[in-house]
Amino acid sequence: GAGVSQSPSNKVTEKGKDVELRCDPISGHTALYWYRQSLGQGLEFLIYFQGNSAPDKSGLPSDRFSAERTGGSVSTLTIQRTQQEDSAVYLCASSRRERLGEQYFGPGTRLTVT
Amino acid sequence: TQLLEQSPQFLSIQEGENLTVYCNSSSVFSSLQWYRQEPGEGPVLLVTVVTGGEVKKLKRLTFQFGDARKDSSLHITAAQPGDTGLYLCAGENTGGFKTIFGAGTRLFVKA
Repeated sequence: GAGVSQSPSNKVTEKGKDVELRCDPISGHTALYWYRQSLGQGLEFLIYFQGNSAPDKSGLPSDRFSAERTGGSVSTLTIQRTQQEDSAVYLCASSRRERLGEQYFGPGTRLTVT
Repeated sequence: TQLLEQSPQFLSIQEGENLTVYCNSSSVFSSLQWYRQEPGEGPVLLVTVVTGGEVKKLKRLTFQFGDARKDSSLHITAAQPGDTGLYLCAGENTGGFKTIFGAGTRLFVKA
């Protein structure tokens, strides 16, 4: 596709359930980022992929959060045993290897934990 | 730890006014980006500055990268309601490993 796509666009889940969020980056972009954004706030870095490897997982808030990327393309962010404080918009971005700073964002997944 | 501080955090102005948003750090960046985010959408890249002292113009928006590549500013001339949004600066560290985002400046332009 022409841009970064994310699914689902909205997810409502009950506390304690697991959720999977998907990101489909721009074709040819080797770098992929996940961010979290709470209402009215800036971006909180979660994890960075270069190809299939994740050189930087430092932003994952707890061991309930994990992410993987297969085939150097699609990435999945998994949150286990969701808590109410996990409610936020989860944004994915991708960029070319040689222009890491120029990130192209998807529309985000709004996660609500009830 | 590299940090990018943006100021002001919030700005509410009348249509037609000028404004400047600042992005400051004690660290050197290999490049710096500015993004605008509208409600319900992801941030959209506006510009990249790479060279110290560089100035780029995008219609009514003027972006400047500091000589030491530690700070940047965004100046908007004759703001319009369509400029309303969250403006984010982001710095690519010299190792090219991770991009650091500022907390953002929320701009509201009243008609």
